Formats: sequence, C-alpha cells, structure tokens
Amino acid sequence: NAGVMQNPRHLVRRRGQEARLRCSPMKGHSHVYWYRQLPEEGLKFMVYLQKENIIDESGMPKERFSAEFPKEGPSILRIQQVVRGDSAAYFCASSRLEETQYFGPGTRLLVL
Amino acid sequence: GENVEQHPSTLSVQEGDSAVIKCTYSDSASNYFPWYKQELGKGPQLIIDIRSNVGEKKDQRIAVTLNKTAKHFSLHITETQPEDSAVYFCAARNTGNQFYFGTGTSLTVIP
Repeated sequence: NAGVMQNPRHLVRRRGQEARLRCSPMKGHSHVYWYRQLPEEGLKFMVYLQKENIIDESGMPKERFSAEFPKEGPSILRIQQVVRGDSAAYFCASSRLEETQYFGPGTRLLVL
Repeated sequence: GENVEQHPSTLSVQEGDSAVIKCTYSDSASNYFPWYKQELGKGPQLIIDIRSNVGEKKDQRIAVTLNKTAKHFSLHITETQPEDSAVYFCAARNTGNQFYFGTGTSLTVIP
C-alpha cells in the first residue's frame, strides 16, 4: 500500500505565477489535510477536506489560496500570484475517519 | 478551539540517556494523541499514538503517557541513540476529526 504521495517535491516559481501542489492520499483514505511549515517552525494547519467537500478552511489565507479534493484524482492546493512569503514546505496528510493521519514527503516551494 | 502546547523546544541528551517531551491540550473532548518524528527534509512520520481510553502505551524504547484529568501527555524515549535526533511533534485530535499540533521539540542525541 503506497503512502501519501505529493508532487512535485520541489517547485520554483517567480513572483506573480501560480503554484499547484498535488496530493494523492493513501488508498482508502477519504480525508485530506494540508499544512504549511516554515524553516525551523511547526506545522500550521491550512485546510481539511473530504471528497468534494471543504470541511474546515480556517487556516487558509483569504486571498490567493484555494484547495479542492475532487471525486476522482488528487487533492490540489493552488496558490495564485505567489509572493516571496509563500516560500515554505507544504505537507499533505490523509486519514480514514477517526483514524491515524499519515503525512506525505512535502512540496518545497521557492518563490524567486 | 483546541490549543496544544509543547515543551521543551530544544532538548540535548547524551547517548543512552532518556528524553522526555511534554504536551498539554485545552479541549477535554480531544480523544486521540499521536506523536510524529520529522527528520531534516522529510515529512513527519508517526512513531506512536494513544487514545483517550488508555493511560500508557509502549513500543520498544518509546512510550507515551496520557493524563486526561490534567490534560497532558508525554513522550518518553529510553536508551537514546544518535538516530533519534530529529524534531518531534505532538498532536491532539478533536471530535471534529481535526488535528492540532504542538510547536515541535528539536532533540539532539550527543554520541
């Protein structure tokens, strides 16, 4: 059973471009969480999704950030018009309902 | 909402000694408490977890204790080895299936 997969692992964007981060949950997992981590800091919750539903997006910036988890395919975290402050590691985690959360390897976004 | 606090933020121990990391939580309804280890450049990896109906759980050199009354839980690593050096995160899950993380403890095991 493959673990949580994220791609790309590294992403470089220039200011103003769009960044699309993908997360494929573990097989059988219908719950996806996105977190952001700055160097030497903790995990900041961004959004919690189930298939086709956003359950909690209280950690998402109101502007430029969006997330989806369609019925088919991976979950996508989209950042429009990136700025240097968006540079961070973005981690996805998945779980079954009321079960353990497993993390992917992360996408390291660098905005030039 | 839930608030998880973690201490210490950094911890250095001699190889072979024990390491203890402590976390407190605020929501008495939280019912599941995992611990993650994160090595440099990698994603957090689950190392042990405990549910609210259990007071203690052990897996080889790693143990976790939970005090529901005081709303705190701790990670204990015995006979530490250099490969235990990493950042450790505690977390609490509430009844809404949302996870709240501590700020992390950077553990260094000195050979």
